[in-house]
Amino acid sequence: DAGVTQSPTHLIKTRGQQVTLRCSPKSGHDTVSWYQQALGQGPQFIFQYYEEEERQRGNFPDRFSGHQFPNYSSELNVNALLLGDSALYLCASSFNLEAFFGQGTRLTVV
Amino acid sequence: AQKITQTQPGMFVQEKEAVTLDCTYDTSDQSYGLFWYKQPSSGEMIFLIYQGSYDEQNATEGRYSLNFQKARKSANLVISASQLGDSAMYFCAMSPFYGNKLVFGAGTILRVKS
Repeated sequence: DAGVTQSPTHLIKTRGQQVTLRCSPKSGHDTVSWYQQALGQGPQFIFQYYEEEERQRGNFPDRFSGHQFPNYSSELNVNALLLGDSALYLCASSFNLEAFFGQGTRLTVV
Repeated sequence: AQKITQTQPGMFVQEKEAVTLDCTYDTSDQSYGLFWYKQPSSGEMIFLIYQGSYDEQNATEGRYSLNFQKARKSANLVISASQLGDSAMYFCAMSPFYGNKLVFGAGTILRVKS
């Protein structure tokens, strides 16, 4: 049984560009959450998707948007990239109280 | 709002000894869950242990146990018989009982010495 998979694993983008990160949840999990983890810090909640709708959102600007597909997979989009968006982006899928994380996508903005 | 505080930026422990990683939390919710995750240098968050706010018994999972003191709002992780592979960053987190949104602390780096 595959766990949570994220793609790509690493990405380098230029300021002002747009990026899309992808997440496939663990089998049987219907909820996907995205987190941003800056270097040396704990992850910060971006938003959560359930039944293809954004259910909760953290304190992130509208440049951060997402989508959930009928198969529960999800995308995180970031527009107008800033240097401060450089971070590890973690996807977590959950069912009830279980939350399992992917290996993350390391985004570097130059 | 929920908040997690981990006051130990880094800890050292001798192989085969036990170590306690501290975690205090703040919430006005009556129902909540407390989690510990391990993050090796590869980046993946590995679930270790869970404690529900209404659980009267402290949670245990193999070498991991959670010392839950509700009145003091603390949820310390105890790792027994430390192994070299335990060297990693450890995060304490909490979530509303049915919310799944996790609030993380700043983490504690654990180094196990041989």
